[in-house]
Amino acid sequence: SQTIHQWPATLVQPVGSPLSLECTVEGTSNPNLYWYRQAAGRGLQLLFYSVGIGQISSEVPQNLSASRPQDRQFILSSKKLLLSDSGFYLCAWSLQNGELFFGEGSRLTVL
Amino acid sequence: GDSVTQMEGPVTLSEEAFLTINCTYTATGYPSLFWYVQYPGEGLQLLLKATKADDKGSNKGFEATYRKETTSFHLEKGSVQVSDSAVYFCALSDRYSGAGSYQLTFGKGTKLSVIP
Repeated sequence: SQTIHQWPATLVQPVGSPLSLECTVEGTSNPNLYWYRQAAGRGLQLLFYSVGIGQISSEVPQNLSASRPQDRQFILSSKKLLLSDSGFYLCAWSLQNGELFFGEGSRLTVL
Repeated sequence: GDSVTQMEGPVTLSEEAFLTINCTYTATGYPSLFWYVQYPGEGLQLLLKATKADDKGSNKGFEATYRKETTSFHLEKGSVQVSDSAVYFCALSDRYSGAGSYQLTFGKGTKLSVIP
């Protein structure tokens, strides 16, 4: 069966520090991968999606970037965090019918 | 563009009460519709789905019917439990993102609290 994991689960970082959140999927090949951010009172915002290794599409211009160095690995990064980057970040993968499977989430607090 | 509108929460109900969370959508094509649930501190889990008009999705006592004429996908449960306390997201899948997959557009979520 397929599983998805992301880490770290919780992160507290100072403004201006770098960020790296990692997500891996097991039990499937060539999944479509997604990074969402959930901010309080704003629902889910799609940040990036990827349909293959090295292929990244950005939905929203921002301080963040994504990379897909391997088929089942998706990384969310920032060189310098802003206060507004705080939130709950969710990685997901999808089947062809649009159904998404989410990771456990990573809560980022920028101080 | 596509959009999903859910009733704003929070919704507070007593145990065994009837639940309805309204969801309406706008889409250019023929989307699939989903309800996801997020328990405190966790990621989202698929609760139920419907892929075409008049389909009814159901799971764990929850139901939702795909109504094309009213562009709605309201979530219902006849008797809620304390364990149903969570945030519920309505979503649609319409836009093609390549390689045979679609992107989801989510509503803002509705927080449900069930009290004993």
